[in-house]
Amino acid sequence: DQQVKQNSPSLSVQEGRISILNCDYTNSMFDYFLWYKKYPAEGPTFLISISSIKDKNEDGRFTVFLNKSAKHLSLHIVPSQPGDSAVYFCAASLNNAGNMLTFGGGTRLMVKP
Amino acid sequence: EPEVTQTPSHQVTQMGQEVILRCVPISNHLYFYWYRQILGQKVEFLVSFYNNEISEKSEIFDDQFSVERPDGSNFTLKIRSTKLEDSAMYFCASSLTTGVYGYTFGSGTRLTVV
Repeated sequence: DQQVKQNSPSLSVQEGRISILNCDYTNSMFDYFLWYKKYPAEGPTFLISISSIKDKNEDGRFTVFLNKSAKHLSLHIVPSQPGDSAVYFCAASLNNAGNMLTFGGGTRLMVKP
Repeated sequence: EPEVTQTPSHQVTQMGQEVILRCVPISNHLYFYWYRQILGQKVEFLVSFYNNEISEKSEIFDDQFSVERPDGSNFTLKIRSTKLEDSAMYFCASSLTTGVYGYTFGSGTRLTVV
């Protein structure tokens, strides 16, 4: 079951540059998408979300883009900071009134000073 | 900031033994969840719980698993007879309202079945 996929297991970026993390999904019924950040020995922490009625949501250095026709979303971090180094999970929900998240496999981001 | 607390952080158990993983959700939250992550794999939904009953569960959550809110603060996951493949990180989460926005996850319990 690969309903949500993150094809890049890792990404290395220089401090100050843009980090772009990608996520693809197959279930067209998903209509709410979230990004979580996870440090070692901690649980996932909510970062940013987007509803399927939008194509962009921005929060400070973090922007999520949604392309429904391509079933693709991306997280942009600008500028990247060393403290952003973590594993980033994309997750999707069938509707925001439901309770279940379907996660991607995660992308490990390393931001080099 | 309020947090979801899970104990223990690491538990080792013998195959076939029962294990109980404990969680203290955020005090005013009403919806409770368990997820697990087998090493190297995705975080997977197990079960959601509201108003003292299961509201959704996945195929993973078979008869070996049960959840309980024994008092006003704890939320537990019991695995009746552990198997080697139950070894994973188990995350508890809670939310104030229905819907996936506003989930807060705990730091997890690493369960090792030997």
